[in-house]
Amino acid sequence: KAGVTQTPRYLIKTRGQQVTLSCSPISGHRSVSWYQQTPGQGLQFLFEYFSETQRNKGNFPGRFSGRQFSNSRSEMNVSTLELGDSALYLCASSLGTGMEGYTFGSGTRLTVV
Amino acid sequence: GESVGLHLPTLSVQEGDNSIINCAYSNSASDYFIWYKQESGKGPQFIIDIRSNMDKRQGQRVTVLLNKTVKHLSLQIAATQPGDSAVYFCAERPGGSYIPTFGRGTSLIVHP
Repeated sequence: KAGVTQTPRYLIKTRGQQVTLSCSPISGHRSVSWYQQTPGQGLQFLFEYFSETQRNKGNFPGRFSGRQFSNSRSEMNVSTLELGDSALYLCASSLGTGMEGYTFGSGTRLTVV
Repeated sequence: GESVGLHLPTLSVQEGDNSIINCAYSNSASDYFIWYKQESGKGPQFIIDIRSNMDKRQGQRVTVLLNKTVKHLSLQIAATQPGDSAVYFCAERPGGSYIPTFGRGTSLIVHP
C-alpha cells in the first residue's frame, strides 16, 4: 500500500514569509499528527487532526496552524516565519485509536533564512 | 512534565554483536510503548510495540522488554548489521491519551 506522502521535500523561505506543508496519509487512516524535529529539541508534537477536527494540540504558538480535509489529507501552515522554525516537519498517519504505532512520512525540510 | 529519556545517546557495536538500547520513562500511567528507527534523511519507522500488560515481545531479530517496576524499556537487536545503524526512539503513550511522548533518541553505530 502507498505510504505517507509529504510535499514538498525541501523548502527555503525568508523570515516573515509564510509556508504551507502538505501530507497525504495512508488510505483508511483518519488521524494525522504533525511533529517538528530539531537536533536540540527532538520530536515535538504540534497537533493532531482526526476526522477533520483538531483533537490534540501541542505547545506551539498560534503561528502554527493546520487543517484536515474530508479525504484525510492534511496541511499545516506557519505564518511569519522565524529563523528558529528551521526544522524537519514530520507527518504521522494512524487509525487514531492511540494504541497503534504511527506511519511517518519522510518529512519536509524547512530552512528559514 | 513527565518525559521519556534514553540512558545512552550513542551506542557503537561491532557487526554481529547484540545491541541493547535502553529507555527510562516516568509516567506510571503509560500503557503502551513503541520503538522507532530513523535512518538519515527518512522519517521514523515503526519497529515494535508492547502494551503494559506484557513484559516481553519479540519480532524479527528484535525484542522489547518492559519492566514496569523500575519504569524501564529496552530494545534488543540480535546479530546487529550495518543496516541497523540509525537513531532509535522510544515513545510512551500515557493512558487515555491519543498522543505518544517521544524520547530524545539513541544513535546506534554498527562497525563492519
